[in-house]
Amino acid sequence: SQTIHQWPATLVQPVGSPLSLECTVEGTSNPNLYWYRQAAGRGLQLLFYSVGIGQISSEVPQNLSASRPQDRQFILSSKKLLLSDSGFYLCARKDFRGTGGNYGYTFGSGTRLTVV
Amino acid sequence: QKEVEQNSGPLSVPEGAIASLNCTYSDRGSQSFFWYRQYSGKSPELIMFIYSNGDKEDGRFTAQLNKASQYVSLLIRDSQPSDSATYLCAVNMYTGANSKLTFGKGITLSVRP
Repeated sequence: SQTIHQWPATLVQPVGSPLSLECTVEGTSNPNLYWYRQAAGRGLQLLFYSVGIGQISSEVPQNLSASRPQDRQFILSSKKLLLSDSGFYLCARKDFRGTGGNYGYTFGSGTRLTVV
Repeated sequence: QKEVEQNSGPLSVPEGAIASLNCTYSDRGSQSFFWYRQYSGKSPELIMFIYSNGDKEDGRFTAQLNKASQYVSLLIRDSQPSDSATYLCAVNMYTGANSKLTFGKGITLSVRP
């Protein structure tokens, strides 16, 4: 199974409150994992990616952070949410498919965050 | 700044027609190309990927890649109302450990019964 679990599915949080979104994946070990955000009317924006435990690369400066405490666990956090943090947060993994180095990215079901 | 551009849309076609979705990318070194379908309120799902110049067919879907023109397209034959969704083009420059996808903003397709 290559299932990606994300929770919660929806979340409404006040400005200034903390955030913790969790993503856990099944299947092969040491997957490449990604956090994307999709704001209303905008494309998917890569926030963070991780190639292994404790290894985090940030793509954009912001008040969000990510951690990878276990091989199959990827967490997105914030100490104080802003209105602009509202969006659809998606966790993804890189999956190799067949021979020749073919691969794809599989997304979890996402968390819809509304900051009020 | 690596960019992926898609026609702003929306695109509307009658049922049974061919829908043509286009995408251009700025990074000439890009190596792999993906098309995702996203239904409203859902996460994207991969429908096609292509690495080599030319056409790649999978059922009613055909992906076309022209690296010289930095252009990738998706054709949907015999369009069905269930194909109505937003289609996202994604591009990856690297295939190694640090690979990451850059997405276009997507184009919304509506198939009229």
